[in-house]
Amino acid sequence: EDQVTQSPEALRLQEGESSSLNCSYTVSGLRGLFWYRQDPGKGPEFLFTLYSAGEEKEKERLKATLTKKESFLHITAPKPEDSATYLCAATGANNLFFGTGTRLTVIP
Amino acid sequence: NAGVTQTPKFQVLKTGQSMTLQCAQDMNHNSMYWYRQDPGMGLRLIYYSASEGTTDKGEVPNGYNVSRLNKREFSLRLESAAPSQTSVYFCASSEFASGSIYEQYFGPGTRLTVT
Repeated sequence: EDQVTQSPEALRLQEGESSSLNCSYTVSGLRGLFWYRQDPGKGPEFLFTLYSAGEEKEKERLKATLTKKESFLHITAPKPEDSATYLCAATGANNLFFGTGTRLTVIP
Repeated sequence: NAGVTQTPKFQVLKTGQSMTLQCAQDMNHNSMYWYRQDPGMGLRLIYYSASEGTTDKGEVPNGYNVSRLNKREFSLRLESAAPSQTSVYFCASSEFASGSIYEQYFGPGTRLTVT
């Protein structure tokens, strides 16, 4: 069964404390892996697309990486404004599967 | 550019009432989508429209209908609302739908409560 699992469900970090969020996928014939940020009461905001194992993409304090079984979103020296829920989604032949997200809180 | 806009932002319905959620995008995207987001379940696809004039069912289509009015607009209709349809509804668009490899851009959502 195709599915996407994110861990941990929630993560609290001190400002400046780097960490990683995990997205494990079991999607047949992966064609793309997406990361989104979602603030409370708002729609998901697109961050990255990764297409093949070994690929990496960066934006400010965020770096996304992809292996054949999972993706990581690394957050370096986070700031309070990085607090949000981070969603990943994986696409196989035609369907896009979303994980339930990791709720990140960065404490000043 | 406004991106993807949705109306209304909030709605309360009684069981059995009907309503239409409106969505419009100004990015000249070909494909549009409707999702629902429930706690602990992630985003689930209700219907999508790969291009103007076509619509297809997603994972959870029962109780909903859609209309792709033109390239910009995609509406979602609840004919007879049920409490199980209480959720947050998101509209999204992408350049194309082929193989779902194109990133989707989301609207701000409609928070619907059915009592």
